[in-house]
Amino acid sequence: GAVVSQHPSWVICKSGTSVKIECRSLDFQATTMFWYRQFPKQSLMLMATSNEGSKATYEQGVEKDKFLINHASLTLSTLTVTSAHPEDSSFYICSATPTTGSSTDTQYFGPGTRLTVL
Amino acid sequence: AQSVTQLDSQVPVFEEAPVELRCNYSSSVSVYLFWYVQYPNQGLQLLLKYLSGSTLVKGINGFEAEFNKSQTSFHLRKPSVHISDTAEYFCAVSERNDYKLSFGAGTTVTVRA
Repeated sequence: GAVVSQHPSWVICKSGTSVKIECRSLDFQATTMFWYRQFPKQSLMLMATSNEGSKATYEQGVEKDKFLINHASLTLSTLTVTSAHPEDSSFYICSATPTTGSSTDTQYFGPGTRLTVL
Repeated sequence: AQSVTQLDSQVPVFEEAPVELRCNYSSSVSVYLFWYVQYPNQGLQLLLKYLSGSTLVKGINGFEAEFNKSQTSFHLRKPSVHISDTAEYFCAVSERNDYKLSFGAGTTVTVRA
């Protein structure tokens, strides 16, 4: 089956620093990748949609200057949390869809990255 | 825009008993429906999805779900649960021409011996 990896799986950083999270599709090419945020005991909230070679589309209320997304290749998207603060602590999950161009494509989810900002 | 309501936040169940997780959705257009499972500290895994055709969808690990268009529901069932089914379950919906998934709040299933 399609596998999506994330790195790192967890990260602790100091307030004010930036953190980069990688999302890779290991055995398929992904035109579209999604970034979600999940608070404890809550559902996933879509942050942004990332398309290879173009700017990401952010959901309403998500600061694009704070959450920088780069989809540089068909297998890699990165999320950089800039000037992180404790309220950015969360579980960040990415997903990817194959490049078949069909809306029936399943989203394959990564295992998530737990970010803790001290 | 579409939305998803999972009617039960927590479902405790004994091992080998049946379980049903309820999901209702609202949308002004045709949708695709999904159930995902999330084990502790892991990402989401697709259990099953409804795209079209038969309204009864069978998924992995013995789960099945039935799409009911008139009631705008997509309830998930398993006739006999195992301890290993303890997890968070999410219902999700997407519009037919859009990749975006909208998730319900999740249902925590705790299976006890």
